[in-house]
Amino acid sequence: QKEVEQDPGPLSVPEGAIVSLNCTYSNSAFQYFMWYRQYSRKGPELLMYTYSSGNKEDGRFTAQVDKSSKYISLFIRDSQPSDSATYLCAMKGGGLTGGGNKLTFGTGTQLKVEL
Amino acid sequence: DGGITQSPKYLFRKEGQNVTLSCEQNLNHDAMYWYRQDPGQGLRLIYYSQIVNDFQKGDIAEGYSVSREKKESFPLTVTSAQKNPTAFYLCASSILGSSGANVLTFGAGSRLTVL
Repeated sequence: QKEVEQDPGPLSVPEGAIVSLNCTYSNSAFQYFMWYRQYSRKGPELLMYTYSSGNKEDGRFTAQVDKSSKYISLFIRDSQPSDSATYLCAMKGGGLTGGGNKLTFGTGTQLKVEL
Repeated sequence: DGGITQSPKYLFRKEGQNVTLSCEQNLNHDAMYWYRQDPGQGLRLIYYSQIVNDFQKGDIAEGYSVSREKKESFPLTVTSAQKNPTAFYLCASSILGSSGANVLTFGAGSRLTVL
């Protein structure tokens, strides 16, 4: 079983829809949770990160972490065609780990927002 | 503008040949990383370096080699010993010394195809 599980999609939604993207994980040592967005044939870029449990909002994006369930979510409100991309979750433990601050990535969910 | 430059963007190689992928950053980041991305597998860490003249193996280092002679540069050589080298390769960097999220900045990637 992978440490981080993420549904690969593809997920297709109409413009303006609320999108929910999710990851589950098994390592209870994870404390930092990140969401990266990757456009086709490009490198990933950080959308937002959250420390421990709770919510964080940035414009149309909201990140949620439920450590008790080992479940994280990214919500996109009023989705736009420009949001069409692959969304990768990533996680790491606290402090400087022996793995050089190693991040563990999900496989990514491909999202398509249609007009 | 600060960022990470990877070259070449596309590379074709015959079986049995070594190839070197270039990665240069002008962000003054201490740490640099190489990831491999395959469909359905997410990002897997090949090598990372936290300081000049030092580097560590990641999860899938076999068949790869790196060097870190300058802070700005972290080239990756894909050797003929790598059994399945066709993939999308991503270079990243981050500020070392933070016990926080370890936000990675990625390059645009290099796509290697073995003919």
